[in-house]
Amino acid sequence: DAGVTQSPTHLIKTRGQQVTLRCSPKSGHDTVSWYQQALGQGPQFIFQYYEEEERQRGNFPDRFSGHQFPNYSSELNVNALLLGDSALYLCASSLDRYNSPLHFGNGTRLTVT
Amino acid sequence: SQQGEEDPQALSIQEGENATMNCSYKTSINNLQWYRQNSGRGLVHLILIRSNEREKHSGRLRVTLDTSKKSSSLLITASRAADTASYFCATGSAPGGSYIPTFGRGTSLIVHP
Repeated sequence: DAGVTQSPTHLIKTRGQQVTLRCSPKSGHDTVSWYQQALGQGPQFIFQYYEEEERQRGNFPDRFSGHQFPNYSSELNVNALLLGDSALYLCASSLDRYNSPLHFGNGTRLTVT
Repeated sequence: SQQGEEDPQALSIQEGENATMNCSYKTSINNLQWYRQNSGRGLVHLILIRSNEREKHSGRLRVTLDTSKKSSSLLITASRAADTASYFCATGSAPGGSYIPTFGRGTSLIVHP
């Protein structure tokens, strides 16, 4: 049973560029959340997707957008990259959007130069 | 914000000793969760304790919750070098029905062999 898978594992982009990160949830999970983790910090909630809709959003600008597909996989898009967007981006899936524990992928390490 | 804050920020012990880390939060919670993160990887769910529970065990892990003090502790008994990781507590609210775990900065635990 595959867990949460994310791609790519590492990415280097230049300021101003756009990036798309991908996530496949754990089998049986229909809710996907995205988190940003800066070095030495805890994960910060970006947004949550359920039934192909953004259900909740954290304190992130509109440059951060996402999508969930009918097979529950998800994408995170970041436009107009800033140096401060350099971080580990974590995808987490859960059985439902209530109190279920999160299952995390190993993340995508994004470096913006 | 429901963000939990872990204490201490860093903890260094010898193999075989017990490790205790604490989490404080600000407002009422449905539950509190503890996660572990090995360097550069995704978070792994360890244990969930509900607001009406006071103590929970899982293997060498013991979690307590004191809702009157808005605090929780995670005890790892007979620690091993493999326990070296960052540990995060996650508390959450449920705006609009979706439960969003919010993480603190974590406790970095180093277990020396």
